[in-house]
Amino acid sequence: GAVVSQHPSWVICKSGTSVKIECRSLDFQATTMFWYRQFPKQSLMLMATSNEGSKATYEQGVEKDKFLINHASLTLSTLTVTSAHPEDSSFYICSATGNSYEQYFGPGTRLTVT
Amino acid sequence: GQQVMQIPQYQHVQEGEDFTTYCNSSTTLSNIQWYKQRPGGHPVFLIQLVKSGEVKKQKRLTFQFGEAKKNSSLHITATQTTDVGTYFCAGKATGTYKYIFGTGTRLKVLA
Repeated sequence: GAVVSQHPSWVICKSGTSVKIECRSLDFQATTMFWYRQFPKQSLMLMATSNEGSKATYEQGVEKDKFLINHASLTLSTLTVTSAHPEDSSFYICSATGNSYEQYFGPGTRLTVT
Repeated sequence: GQQVMQIPQYQHVQEGEDFTTYCNSSTTLSNIQWYKQRPGGHPVFLIQLVKSGEVKKQKRLTFQFGEAKKNSSLHITATQTTDVGTYFCAGKATGTYKYIFGTGTRLKVLA
């Protein structure tokens, strides 16, 4: 089956620093990748949608200058949390779709900002 | 904006009992997907429903899409401990490209 990886799986950073999270589709070409944020025991909140080679589409209320998304190839999308603050601490999870309608989710990245 | 609610929020059942979660969208959907997320894991795709009134079965799981395409349900017959997890519906509104996830129903199965 289709596999999506995320790196790192967890990261701790200091307030004010930036963190980059990678999302890779390992065995298929991802035409679209989605970035979600999930708080403990809560639902997945869509942050943005990215298509290879074009600018990401951000959801209302998501700061595009704070959450930089780059989808440079059909197998890689990155999310950079810039000038992170403690309130940015969360579980960030990506998903990818290829030729089918299924979303294949990565294992997620737990970000803790101290 | 589009909202997708699920009830109940939590459900504890004895192993062998049935379980149902209901999903309601504020807008008409073009299709709906269901995902399962095990504790500590990531969502895994279960199924997609497209047609009004559609019913699909996967072993002990029965999925239904409402006639008005605004609601859906997932029913599990004779739950097992392996059914533990959070079940999410995700709806795609007509004319949009994205899926909005429901609030989820967390299922615990007591052996």
